[in-house]
Amino acid sequence: SQKIEQNSEALNIQEGKTATLTCNYTNYSPAYLQWYRQDPGRGPVFLLLIRENEKEKRKERLKVTFDTTLKQSLFHITASQPADSATYLCALVSNAGNMLTFGGGTRLMVKP
Amino acid sequence: NAGVTQTPKFQVLKTGQSMTLQCAQDMNHNSMYWYRQDPGMGLRLIYYSASEGTTDKGEVPNGYNVSRLNKREFSLRLESAAPSQTSVYFCASSIPGPRETQYFGPGTRLLVL
Repeated sequence: SQKIEQNSEALNIQEGKTATLTCNYTNYSPAYLQWYRQDPGRGPVFLLLIRENEKEKRKERLKVTFDTTLKQSLFHITASQPADSATYLCALVSNAGNMLTFGGGTRLMVKP
Repeated sequence: NAGVTQTPKFQVLKTGQSMTLQCAQDMNHNSMYWYRQDPGMGLRLIYYSASEGTTDKGEVPNGYNVSRLNKREFSLRLESAAPSQTSVYFCASSIPGPRETQYFGPGTRLLVL
């Protein structure tokens, strides 16, 4: 069955370091991959979208990579700040489908 | 420009009671969605509406019904609530479909006793 996996354990890093979050998928052929940020008690907020024919996408301190051979996306936050502390969700949609499928999210804690 | 709004913010129901969750967007989006979020399980799609007048089942539609009242509004109804429906419900909208950005509302926390 289709599966999207994100590390369910919280990621704790020191301010100023680079945070790297992982999204792995199986039995899936995604055409698009999106990353969202979710703060406690709030709805997810869109951050970045990367297409299957793109290897890397950047936006300010954020960088997303998409490796369809490894079936993996990496989400990087450089020069992390305590304000980056949140849960980050990846979501996939395939060419054949018309729905987003979300991973369970990874909680990031950036300590000052 | 309020974006996506949801009412109520929080609701407690007894098993067997019914209720309707309301969602409205003011961004002129064609597509709207209802998700539920449970701890450790991420967001799961309940129903979606690609355009006004159409609705389709998502991953977990059992126990729910939806109505796309007009382009702005998309409601979710629980006819006979069950404890398994205790969750946080999010409404979202997008243009032109799920390949692009989805905008989420603040969520409705539902507790079914």
